[in-house]
Amino acid sequence: DAKTTQPTSMDCAEGRAANLPCNHSTISGNEYVYWYRQIHSQGPQYIIHGLKNNETNEMASLIITEDRKSSTLILPHATLRDTAVYYCTGEYGNKLVFGAGTILRVKS
Amino acid sequence: NAGVTQTPKFQVLKTGQSMTLQCAQDMNHNSMYWYRQDPGMGLRLIYYSASEGTTDKGEVPNGYNVSRLNKREFSLRLESAAPSQTSVYFCASSRGTLNSYEQYFGPGTRLTVT
Repeated sequence: DAKTTQPTSMDCAEGRAANLPCNHSTISGNEYVYWYRQIHSQGPQYIIHGLKNNETNEMASLIITEDRKSSTLILPHATLRDTAVYYCTGEYGNKLVFGAGTILRVKS
Repeated sequence: NAGVTQTPKFQVLKTGQSMTLQCAQDMNHNSMYWYRQDPGMGLRLIYYSASEGTTDKGEVPNGYNVSRLNKREFSLRLESAAPSQTSVYFCASSRGTLNSYEQYFGPGTRLTVT
């Protein structure tokens, strides 16, 4: 059974906000939601994580619904270098569980 | 500060051969992980080490063994390689396994078993 579900792919215009959704309906109350991205075939790169409250850092913002069943990663001003696979993951029993991710294509 | 390093970067093995993938981190992290990534798929956890001296199975441990040599190093061994183990292998490390510790990944080892 899938732990997280994400759209297979999304397109975004350069300079616009990219909003990437994720459903994680089976996550437990004390388990964090993490977002990573993978550019080409490089190792995944950490973006942001959260538990209940919305979070923001220099890379992105994370909006988590009040029931914690879903979240949205926001890249406020997408650039061509943000083209990557974005993974929403949950912390299940001390381990991260990765799904297939969303391919984000930023287009000029 | 190199972060997480992995050797080798590429490897081709014949079925039945053995090899060890090496991973080292210089961030003084307690926890280390081995993942595999098959084409078009997400990462799957093979083994992890929550702290020096401990190792635990992940989602897909069959056919692999690990050694946490010291706090810095965590190796992955394939005793008898099979074509199904053709994959990209990533090592990662984090300060801890619980509650909000992000993982830092190495560049990967691309393994082909013929």
